[in-house]
Amino acid sequence: GAVVSQHPSWVICKSGTSVKIECRSLDFQATTMFWYRQFPKQSLMLMATSNEGSKATYEQGVEKDKFLINHASLTLSTLTVTSAHPEDSSFYICSASSGGSLGTNEKLFFGSGTQLSVL
Amino acid sequence: KQEVTQIPAALSVPEGENLVLNCSFTDSAIYNLQWFRQDPGKGLTSLLLIQSSQREQTSGRLNASLDKSSGRSTLYIAASQPGDSATYLCAVRSQGGKLIFGQGTELSVKP
Repeated sequence: GAVVSQHPSWVICKSGTSVKIECRSLDFQATTMFWYRQFPKQSLMLMATSNEGSKATYEQGVEKDKFLINHASLTLSTLTVTSAHPEDSSFYICSASSGGSLGTNEKLFFGSGTQLSVL
Repeated sequence: KQEVTQIPAALSVPEGENLVLNCSFTDSAIYNLQWFRQDPGKGLTSLLLIQSSQREQTSGRLNASLDKSSGRSTLYIAASQPGDSATYLCAVRSQGGKLIFGQGTELSVKP
């Protein structure tokens, strides 16, 4: 099946620093990728939809200046948590469709996630 | 606004038992429904995908059904094993291609 690689798998940083998370589709092109966050014992909450070559679409309540998304190529999207604070500590997961463009009947494949801990 | 609910939140069963996980959604205008497995601290593994025109899908010991009109799906696991212990998430693909997740069912299969 399609493979989505996400790095790093975990990161610990000091409050006020910025952290970049990468999401790569290894064996397919992904026009659209999705970013989710997950708090302990809770489900995945969609943060934003990342579109190659254009601005990301953010869900209501998600600060776009806080969570910067760049989708510069068909195989790479990055999420940067700027000026991270302890409340940003969470599990972040990306996903991508195996279709060349987003088709609504296609499976989404997920990265392995990034556990962010802000001290 | 689409909302997805999973019942029960947690389930503990002895090895070998058959079990059913439930998922309901409020808006029947979906493109598909997908069941995932998540191990602690890990990403998601797709188990089964049911298109809106389908009634069920099977893979090994897993069978997922979909009743779109009533907004329900079930995941049936036959002859459960300790290795099946994980959190099971259902998600529906709604308008705009977004995948909306339920809260998950945490399954524990005891040897």
